[in-house]
Amino acid sequence: QSVLTQPPSASGTPGQRVTISCSGSSSNIGSNYVYWYQQLPGTAPKLLIYRNNQRPSGVPERFSGSKSGTSASLAISGLRSEDEADYYCAAWDDSLSGPWVFGGGTKLTVL
Amino acid sequence: EEQLVESGGGLVQPGGSLRLSCVASGFTFSSYRMNWVRQAPGKGLEWVSYISSSSSTIYYADSVKGRFTISRDNAKNSLYLQMNSLRAEDTALYYCARDPVRWDLSPMGFDYWGQGTLVTVSS
Repeated sequence: QSVLTQPPSASGTPGQRVTISCSGSSSNIGSNYVYWYQQLPGTAPKLLIYRNNQRPSGVPERFSGSKSGTSASLAISGLRSEDEADYYCAAWDDSLSGPWVFGGGTKLTVL
Repeated sequence: EEQLVESGGGLVQPGGSLRLSCVASGFTFSSYRMNWVRQAPGKGLEWVSYISSSSSTIYYADSVKGRFTISRDNAKNSLYLQMNSLRAEDTALYYCARDPVRWDLSPMGFDYWGQGTLVTVSS
């Protein structure tokens, strides 16, 4: 069982806006930054969002992140077929289980 | 171009050992923290181990503590994971990942990943 909790699946139609949630605790999301990774089928994960809401160079503005308390969200607007992938949240954890913890992942399906 | 290339995976019997390697190129390896992250077949990502740039700080996931050892050789631009007493549940694709920090030492996330090396533990 993952330290961070994500819904196992999400879906949307092209052009739609979808959000993926990530729930943690005071030792991880509550006191540290949140990161999001995108994993396309058969490939290594790719950093999508860092420090809660920052996008690395090359990541489209359609992807955005937010954090409130011990929860975080990834939003994808203008959904495209190539966004179909697994998405993982992660955070630094100040407890003994750390330092890095991941969510269980959310499989996004573009209908 | 920054690149990480893992090797050393394979089929091993329960109780056996393997040593994974990750060779870095295209950046100053000695300046970066590094991690191993694994992914069991059809499952999610699991952080395994962390090592600071100078090897002074090391962490392990509880699931591998006492069995796995992370190390690095900055002169060879290489990261290692010595895996002993392997179990079936260690079967996974093992990734090495670069872990940069900002000027204030706050993490920037795993910005570069290798392609992974597959470890299969089975009799």
